[in-house]
Amino acid sequence: DAGVTQSPTHLIKTRGQHVTLRCSPISGHKSVSWYQQVLGQGPQFIFQYYEKEERGRGNFPDRFSARQFPNYSSELNVNALLLGDSALYLCASSLALVTDTQYFGPGTRLTVL
Amino acid sequence: KNEVEQSPQNLTAQEGEFITINCSYSVGISALHWLQQHPGGGIVSLFMLSSGKKKHGRLIATINIQEKHSSLHITASHPRDSAVYICAVHLRTTGNQFYFGTGTSLTVIP
Repeated sequence: DAGVTQSPTHLIKTRGQHVTLRCSPISGHKSVSWYQQVLGQGPQFIFQYYEKEERGRGNFPDRFSARQFPNYSSELNVNALLLGDSALYLCASSLALVTDTQYFGPGTRLTVL
Repeated sequence: KNEVEQSPQNLTAQEGEFITINCSYSVGISALHWLQQHPGGGIVSLFMLSSGKKKHGRLIATINIQEKHSSLHITASHPRDSAVYICAVHLRTTGNQFYFGTGTSLTVIP
């Protein structure tokens, strides 16, 4: 059974650009969460979606947005990129809300120049 | 102030040693997770706890809800256990906030 997949694996952008990251959850999982992990730090919660609705939002600016599609895959969008947005972006899926065991994807490494 | 504190930040052990990593949190939670992150970024969920103790192979996780404290123990440590171990808590609020500790970097020397 395929695990959580994310695309792309690596991405280089310049300041001010926009980026879209994609995540496909494990089959049957209805919850997708997004996290940002800056080098040397623990992950920070960005969003959680369950059944296509936003169920949680971390302390991130409105430049960050996300959505979940009918097939439960998800996109994370970041507008007006800043140097500080350079990080590993992790997606995790679970059967139910986040109190369930989460399964993480390999992440997308975003570098903003 | 971090809602989740881990100690130690870095830990070096000899193969075979018993290892303990601690996690303290300052808020009401509905669940606590222990995660393992290998170089390159991949994260694996080890345990999810809301009370008591869980064991999986050489790994044991305990939680004391009253003291807001959890420990992850590794018995008979092995070099393949070298990784960053992260404690994360799910807050008992409607916002589904999920807070992570900064991690404990473990190196097990053969």
